[in-house]
Amino acid sequence: GAVVSQHPSRVICKSGTSVKIECRSLDFQATTMFWYRQFPKQSLMLMATSNEGSKATYEQGVEKDKFLINHASLTLSTLTVTSAHPEDSSFYICSAARSGGSTDTQYFGPGTRLTVL
Amino acid sequence: DAKTTQPTSMDCAEGRAANLPCNHSTISGNEYVYWYRQIHSQGPQYIIHGLKNNETNEMASLIITEDRKSSTLILPHATLRDTAVYYCIVRGFGNEKLTFGTGTRLTIIP
Repeated sequence: GAVVSQHPSRVICKSGTSVKIECRSLDFQATTMFWYRQFPKQSLMLMATSNEGSKATYEQGVEKDKFLINHASLTLSTLTVTSAHPEDSSFYICSAARSGGSTDTQYFGPGTRLTVL
Repeated sequence: DAKTTQPTSMDCAEGRAANLPCNHSTISGNEYVYWYRQIHSQGPQYIIHGLKNNETNEMASLIITEDRKSSTLILPHATLRDTAVYYCIVRGFGNEKLTFGTGTRLTIIP
């Protein structure tokens, strides 16, 4: 159990276009999902927290109008990178919080590698 | 959330137990210790978590000292597929954020 998928796994796009990444919890419901970004040779950086049915909470320095997050159901959150530029090229990873016992545990998707030309 | 300190890298011979240490001297009473690992170009994989007691599952064992200021993740019989970056993260109860540090790069040597 606790499987999280992401689609697509890789995407290459032209500068100025928008890209949508989907994150799904396949065998559990997740009230809360998270979006991270990881640049080469660096650790994961949290971008935003996505709560089902409400607006996402963005970390400091992350532009909410550029990284649009929608969490319309308990199993799906989407991240749209709008007007992508080469500096947005990165590894984007989502996670979903699964409730269990006294605390939630986050399970991660396999990641989406975005390359902006 | 409390800060953690881990060695930058470690090697372990295949078939041996890999013991990965983590210091979290400022941990609070309601904060959990979580371990994840990230194999190259993949999303992090949950390994184990604990509060006070030692924990064991099919992947690993987690030993937390009595004062909770440090812990050790034990992979009992390391295989080449255990080569990864291992992250020790302290997370508060009710605070769902995970803050990733630089982790320990574990290399299993044939």
